[in-house]
Amino acid sequence: AQRVTQPEKLLSVFKGAPVELKCNYSYSGSPELFWYVQYSRQRLQLLLRHISRESIKGFTADLNKGETSFHLKKPFAQEEDSAMYYCALSTTDKLIFGTGTRLQVFP
Amino acid sequence: DTGVSQNPRHKITKRGQNVTFRCDPISEHNRLYWYRQTLGQGPEFLTYFQNEAQLEKSRLLSDRFSAERPKGSFSTLEIQRTEQGDSAMYLCASSFGENTEAFFGQGTRLTVV
Repeated sequence: AQRVTQPEKLLSVFKGAPVELKCNYSYSGSPELFWYVQYSRQRLQLLLRHISRESIKGFTADLNKGETSFHLKKPFAQEEDSAMYYCALSTTDKLIFGTGTRLQVFP
Repeated sequence: DTGVSQNPRHKITKRGQNVTFRCDPISEHNRLYWYRQTLGQGPEFLTYFQNEAQLEKSRLLSDRFSAERPKGSFSTLEIQRTEQGDSAMYLCASSFGENTEAFFGQGTRLTVV
């Protein structure tokens, strides 16, 4: 079955603390994985994708095929990082989303 | 704004009425997707088009739902005989090709009373 699991509904940290948002997937093929973010009152937008292997806004994510994970990390959280984060698995015809993790960064 | 556009932004309807939503994708994008999102859930896939062809429909898309994309441009999603369980945010997205970035609209929030 194709599935994306985000075990944490809410993650609260203080500014400057490290952040790790967990994502695990189930897919029989070669996975294409994305992180999408939704800031308050804004539309869902792409944050990063594993194939590009780049850091966006200080966030990185590494695909671990052995653990079937694609966790999102940032060493020092900022208040403006507060948002809803969705991990997504791309098949040939659609994106399959996890249930999302709300990140709250307190000053 | 040259991104994906959805209309209306909000719709309140009485149970049993029909509603239609519109999505205008980014003009050069050949793929168009519809998703539904309820509180506490991620977006759930409903259907997608490649140009004007509807290539896949989710089991979530009951026979009361129909989607079209005439001429491979804008798309409409119609819900007939709405039920309270249809209350949700309906999201449209477009992309160019498979496994590429999907650009989302701001969604249409449907409330069935």
